[in-house]
Amino acid sequence: EVQLLESGGGLVQPGGSLRLSCAASGFTFSSFAMRWVRQAPGKGLEWVSDISGSGSNTYYADSVRGRFTISRDNSKNTLYLQMSSLRGDDTALYYCAKGYCSSTSCYAGHWGQGTLVTVS
Amino acid sequence: DIQMTQSPSTLSASVGDRVTITCRASQTINVWLAWYQQKPGKAPKLLIYKASTLEGGVPSRFSGSGSGTEFTLTISSLQPDDFATYYCQQYNSYSYTFGQGTKLEIK
Repeated sequence: EVQLLESGGGLVQPGGSLRLSCAASGFTFSSFAMRWVRQAPGKGLEWVSDISGSGSNTYYADSVRGRFTISRDNSKNTLYLQMSSLRGDDTALYYCAKGYCSSTSCYAGHWGQGTLVTVS
Repeated sequence: DIQMTQSPSTLSASVGDRVTITCRASQTINVWLAWYQQKPGKAPKLLIYKASTLEGGVPSRFSGSGSGTEFTLTISSLQPDDFATYYCQQYNSYSYTFGQGTKLEIK
């Protein structure tokens, strides 16, 4: 059974940094792209970032590019999101998700339960 | 970036109704569209990918159609468990944008 468990969220001041983690199990982690998606309180879903299975390709939303860094440790089956220069509009529940890809077109098939980041 | 526009934003319906939600892309996305269901306090759940392929375990009353720029999600006979918010997302090209969501409410 696929399991994704996010951690690392919390309260941080504007301009601060935070690193989110997503521990994966139940599948061959290195074979799948992974994704971060966020949801501000009471708002819709926003795609944040993708990383390929090897970690060699990364993609970012314009709203976070240059401030957030996605990475993975395939030996630990763990996905990361390093967030810096945090702003109030980064306040959200951050979900990690497992990607299913046809070439470079990937959808999110399994999602974690999310970790809450509050910037205030 | 590709813009995704869902309609309606809110839909009131009754158990047993047939409902359709529309998602329009600002440029062609071929068939690279997914539909997700989200209930309050829960993570999104994949319903349909590649515009019309039903995810395993999803009831057959859900169906998706479309290609290019116009897509639909249809629920053939609403069940109590279906009242939730639905999102489309294009995954044709980065950034992978979502629609703004359609809240399906009980009439």
